[in-house]
Amino acid sequence: AQSVTQPDIHITVSEGASLELRCNYSYGATPYLFWYVQSPGQGLQLLLKYFSGDTLVQGIKGFEAEFKRSQSSFNLRKPSVHWSDAAEYFCAVGAQGAAGNKLTFGGGTRVLVKP
Amino acid sequence: EPEVTQTPSHQVTQMGQEVILRCVPISNHLYFYWYRQILGQKVEFLVSFYNNEISEKSEIFDDQFSVERPDGSNFTLKIRSTKLEDSAMYFCASSAGLGGNEQFFGPGTRLTVL
Repeated sequence: AQSVTQPDIHITVSEGASLELRCNYSYGATPYLFWYVQSPGQGLQLLLKYFSGDTLVQGIKGFEAEFKRSQSSFNLRKPSVHWSDAAEYFCAVGAQGAAGNKLTFGGGTRVLVKP
Repeated sequence: EPEVTQTPSHQVTQMGQEVILRCVPISNHLYFYWYRQILGQKVEFLVSFYNNEISEKSEIFDDQFSVERPDGSNFTLKIRSTKLEDSAMYFCASSAGLGGNEQFFGPGTRLTVL
């Protein structure tokens, strides 16, 4: 069965500083990996995804993530955080079943940005 | 930009009552999903729906839950007899295809069962 672990429940970062959010997954085959962001009162918005090819993927809002198969990780990074990046971030793994594509989510990391 | 919409944004109901949560997926999408998030817990998959039938469901999705696409645009989740533990945020999502296709999520319906 697939699973996702996000070890950090909360992270506080200063505006302008770099940010890295950790994600570890468990899945038997090549995974589809996603990072979603949820701002208060909003739905989940896709930041980026990986399913093949270059292991460093670029996303929206200046985010990037690196797939490391040997470490079963897909960490999210941003070089310089803006106050608007304060939100909850979810890593997810997807699997293509017979006719479905459920996502399994990690517990989320809440990011607080200090001025 | 097309988006998934959900109504209502907040539903309060008494234990044992039936509720219907409504979603309008993106119009050209073929795959539809419901997820839920109990306060403080992970987002959990409930069910996926394709070609007018359930394609996959989790162990959470028991006989009290049902889904329907009644009119080609709406996608509903019905809970027949709500329990206190059904209180959660329910997210609808849709995608154009499988695999690496993005699932687009709605803003959610917060269900409170008293």
